[in-house]
Amino acid sequence: DTGVSQDPRHKITKRGQNVTFRCDPISEHNRLYWYRQTLGQGPEFLTYFQNEAQLEKSRLLSDRFSAERPKGSFSTLEIQRTEQGDSAMYLCASSRTLDRVVMETQYFGPGTRLLVL
Amino acid sequence: GNSVTQMEGPVTLSEEAFLTINCTYTATGYPSLFWYVQYPGEGLQLLLKATKADDKGSNKGFEATYRKETTSFHLEKGSVQVSDSAVYFCALSDLRAIQGAQKLVFGQGTRLTINP
Repeated sequence: DTGVSQDPRHKITKRGQNVTFRCDPISEHNRLYWYRQTLGQGPEFLTYFQNEAQLEKSRLLSDRFSAERPKGSFSTLEIQRTEQGDSAMYLCASSRTLDRVVMETQYFGPGTRLLVL
Repeated sequence: GNSVTQMEGPVTLSEEAFLTINCTYTATGYPSLFWYVQYPGEGLQLLLKATKADDKGSNKGFEATYRKETTSFHLEKGSVQVSDSAVYFCALSDLRAIQGAQKLVFGQGTRLTINP
């Protein structure tokens, strides 16, 4: 059973460039979350998918950010016109809901570390 | 809104010492509480969780009890090892009844270093 994988693990880009990250969740996990973690802080929620539907976006997700999960499997997070403030670790997590179970466990990937110069 | 406050780090202990990392939360409703651990170069791993008041989560010698009266979920371990060196995050789930989103709200993390 493979865990959540993310690609790339590291990305260095120049300000103004576009970047795209990929997340492959655990198979059969219907929920997928993106979080952002800046240095010395805990992760902050960005957005959430249930299957292919993006159901919630944080106010942290500016118009330059877009996320997709086209077939309800892998997801991509794109940042357009990157800014130095976008430098962070981008984490993906997935989970599986079981009927009306109240609590699920989110499994995290290793993250993509972005540095914007 | 919901928030989590953790004991500030870094924390440095000797092997076999007793560990406590404090965590308090502010939340509406009845959130579930978690401790995640992040080892160097790795992703977040769930360490333990508790879903209701007075529940005790435990794993790998770590324990935490959900205390509603003090809104706390302190992490404890009786005898730490060098391999426990990591960053520990306390978190709560912001359960939304509509659509069921269970986004996690994290504390800022506590870096723990255990010296042999």
